Amino acid sequence: DIQMTQSPSSLSASVGDRVTISCRTSQSISTYLNWYQQKPGKAPKLLIYGAFNLQSGVPSRFSGSGSGTDFTLTITSLQPEDFATYYCQQSYSTLLFTFGPGTKVNIK
Amino acid sequence: QVQLVQSGAEVKKPGASVKVSCKASGDTFMSYGITWVRQAPGQGLEWMGWISAHNGNTNYAQKLQGRVTMTTDTSTSTAYMELRSLRSDDTAVYYCARKASLGKFGQDAMDVWGQGTTVTVSS
Repeated sequence: DIQMTQSPSSLSASVGDRVTISCRTSQSISTYLNWYQQKPGKAPKLLIYGAFNLQSGVPSRFSGSGSGTDFTLTITSLQPEDFATYYCQQSYSTLLFTFGPGTKVNIK
Repeated sequence: QVQLVQSGAEVKKPGASVKVSCKASGDTFMSYGITWVRQAPGQGLEWMGWISAHNGNTNYAQKLQGRVTMTTDTSTSTAYMELRSLRSDDTAVYYCARKASLGKFGQDAMDVWGQGTTVTVSS
């Protein structure tokens, strides 16, 4: 099975800050990596698919990069509505679409 | 725009079964797969498996093999997830989500989600 890690597990940031979240996989998955945002009590929302493709309707302050085993989600100029938990998820192995453990973005 | 609407909350005793439904509207149901994801209280997301609405093919997470069955009814555009032999650690919010192939390279991702169904297992 492909193992996934995210760092940090949580962070505190202020409105307007630039935030980066890292996701690492135990084996190369090319660009088969998605990012989701989840707010308390709500379903996850797809932000980025294929490592760097912005899902329709998602603000351009969100961006994704990386390939192989190392990936990054970047939020430029953090907005109040961006405080949430972010999950990466691999879609390389169709037998098991593993999620990362999540990164919680808190208000500083 | 497709929407997924799930059935209501359930309370079950240990050892019982639960069947959660996920009704799709607004798009061609048979063109996609339906993924099921669960989230225990205060925990992260756990992928449970998926089913092709086109041909009924399934992939289940190994830890749930033998206890979970995913089905679809194309006549009503509804997907179902049944979990048997329930334990207390099955207490979670269960989500269905559309598995779509996105972009020019057909990258799989869950782009539309249901609202979630809370399943509580308690004696």
